[in-house]
Amino acid sequence: QKEVEQNSGPLSVPEGAIASLNCTYSDRGSQSFFWYRQYSGKSPELIMFIYSNGDKEDGRFTAQLNKASQYVSLLIRDSQPSDSATYLCAVTGIWGNKLVFGAGTILRVKS
Amino acid sequence: GAGVSQSPSNKVTEKGKDVELRCDPISGHTALYWYRQSLGQGLEFLIYFQGNSAPDKSGLPSDRFSAERTGGSVSTLTIQRTQQEDSAVYLCASSLGRPQETQYFGPGTRLLVL
Repeated sequence: QKEVEQNSGPLSVPEGAIASLNCTYSDRGSQSFFWYRQYSGKSPELIMFIYSNGDKEDGRFTAQLNKASQYVSLLIRDSQPSDSATYLCAVTGIWGNKLVFGAGTILRVKS
Repeated sequence: GAGVSQSPSNKVTEKGKDVELRCDPISGHTALYWYRQSLGQGLEFLIYFQGNSAPDKSGLPSDRFSAERTGGSVSTLTIQRTQQEDSAVYLCASSLGRPQETQYFGPGTRLLVL
């Protein structure tokens, strides 16, 4: 079992729709959860982080964390073609240093 | 302010040669990380520095890989006797150093071993 799992996609949504990206993790000691966006040929850029159970909203983005289910998700409202990218879920363990990444979900927003 | 910088941006080398990759973290960031992203692979952790010390080297794939950090700032990742499987994008990230802090990535060095 991989430590962090994501559906590879591609996930295709029409412009203006809500995109829902999911991630599960295996280490119950995981403390922090990050979503990075990576455009082709570029490095990852931080979208959101979440530490506590529940929802965290930032503009069009909402991160949701459920530690009991070991599940974290990212919702993108009013999806735009510019949101088309690979979304990486990353988790830190109890010591909080290295990030363990999922393989990423490719999102395609069609205009 | 300035972000994480890495050099070179691209490196082509011949199998068996040594290469050095450089990372300049965000000013004031005490933690520095190296990751590798291969075609079709996810991002994998290589090594973590806190100041000049490396408390976690668990991701270095072999003894051909080494890294150092001097002055609590610039870090160099060295790959000796490069192999074709070393071809990847090598990414550096830095953070403020407290546990769970957000890591900010540099643009990466794309290494191709012929």
